[in-house]
Amino acid sequence: EAGVVQSPRYKIIEKKQPVAFWCNPISGHNTLYWYRQNLGQGPELLIRYENEEAVDDSQLPKDRFSAERLKGVDSTLKIQPAELGDSAVYLCASSLSAGSETQYFGPGTRLLVL
Amino acid sequence: AQSVTQPDIHITVSEGASLELRCNYSYGATPYLFWYVQSPGQGLQLLLKYFSGDTLVQGIKGFEAEFKRSQSSFNLRKPSVHWSDAAEYFCAVGPLVFGKGTRLSVIA
Repeated sequence: EAGVVQSPRYKIIEKKQPVAFWCNPISGHNTLYWYRQNLGQGPELLIRYENEEAVDDSQLPKDRFSAERLKGVDSTLKIQPAELGDSAVYLCASSLSAGSETQYFGPGTRLLVL
Repeated sequence: AQSVTQPDIHITVSEGASLELRCNYSYGATPYLFWYVQSPGQGLQLLLKYFSGDTLVQGIKGFEAEFKRSQSSFNLRKPSVHWSDAAEYFCAVGPLVFGKGTRLSVIA
């Protein structure tokens, strides 16, 4: 069974440019998570989807970040415009459902903003 | 609010020695607790989890953890560390709140 797929794996952009990350969760997983992991820190939840609905986006900086999960499968996270402080690893994870279910993580997208 | 504290930022152990990584949590009810491992450039892999029942939980790669409600702790242990265990270890509660991680180095 394929795991969580993320692309690109690495991205280098200049500040003020837009950037997008793509995530394909494990087939059948209804819950999808986007996390940001700063260097030397643990993952911090940005947004959680239950199927197509964003049920927890309180930590998403909505002035520059947006996310969507069309048809309850793939998801895209966008930053526009990017700032220097957005340099981090963006992790996508999925689970069968929320709560006690195990999350399966993708390899992440490492973003560097210059 | 939920929170997780991993007091040790970096631990170095000798190969073959025992290991204990500390995790303390703050949660209003009986928590769901997790330990994940992250190798360089990789995503997080679940080592073990506790939901209820037996407070000693066995995981993959020879790891175990013990839930102690009185101490609000969920420490990770391994009796004999291998060089391949060198990685970053994260404790999580909820499962949405992660600690800052403990980096494990293994020396010969």
